Amino acid sequence: GENVEQHPSTLSVQEGDSAVIKCTYSDSASNYFPWYKQELGKRPQLIIDIRSNVGEKKDQRIAVTLNKTAKHFSLHITETQPEDSAVYFCAASGTGGFKTIFGAGTRLFVKA
Amino acid sequence: GAVVSQHPSWVICKSGTSVKIECRSLDFQATTMFWYRQFPKQSLMLMATSNEGSKATYEQGVEKDKFLINHASLTLSTLTVTSAHPEDSSFYICSAPPGTKHNEQFFGPGTRLTVL
Repeated sequence: GENVEQHPSTLSVQEGDSAVIKCTYSDSASNYFPWYKQELGKRPQLIIDIRSNVGEKKDQRIAVTLNKTAKHFSLHITETQPEDSAVYFCAASGTGGFKTIFGAGTRLFVKA
Repeated sequence: GAVVSQHPSWVICKSGTSVKIECRSLDFQATTMFWYRQFPKQSLMLMATSNEGSKATYEQGVEKDKFLINHASLTLSTLTVTSAHPEDSSFYICSAPPGTKHNEQFFGPGTRLTVL
């Protein structure tokens, strides 16, 4: 089955700096890669996603890149702000009933 | 956007009792729903896929006789934790894709289960 690995587990950056979180997936049939932000005790919030027919997608300060050959995808947050502090999860989903498998998560701290 | 609700939002029960958690899609029909469990400071672990009109599909290591799933209608799936024990205490979240053509998931708000 699908396996998603995520690094780093913890990331601390200074306000205004960039943050990068990386994930790899194992199932070459996966074709949808969402990123979620989760605050304590809340449901995951979709912040950006990318499909396998696209290599890069950007939404304001957030961008995601996908390398299908290497089975890598990354989240880039620029000009980080304290309110970006949260846990971020990458995930992968394929055509097999849209089952979504999550990475282990990255706890991001943005220091003011 | 599509809305998924869960009930209850939290529940405390005694060891040995059973607890039922409901997941509803409020403005769309969902032939498939997913159940996740999240322990503190850990990721969402997929437990099972709930299929309307057929049996649920469980992930490896998840006991189907302990976690009973019933997809009663196109808008409702229930997860029953039978004979709950303290180690079952966790955050349970359901999700559903809003259609059959897209993978995007809409998540319920989660249910915090505490077993004493």
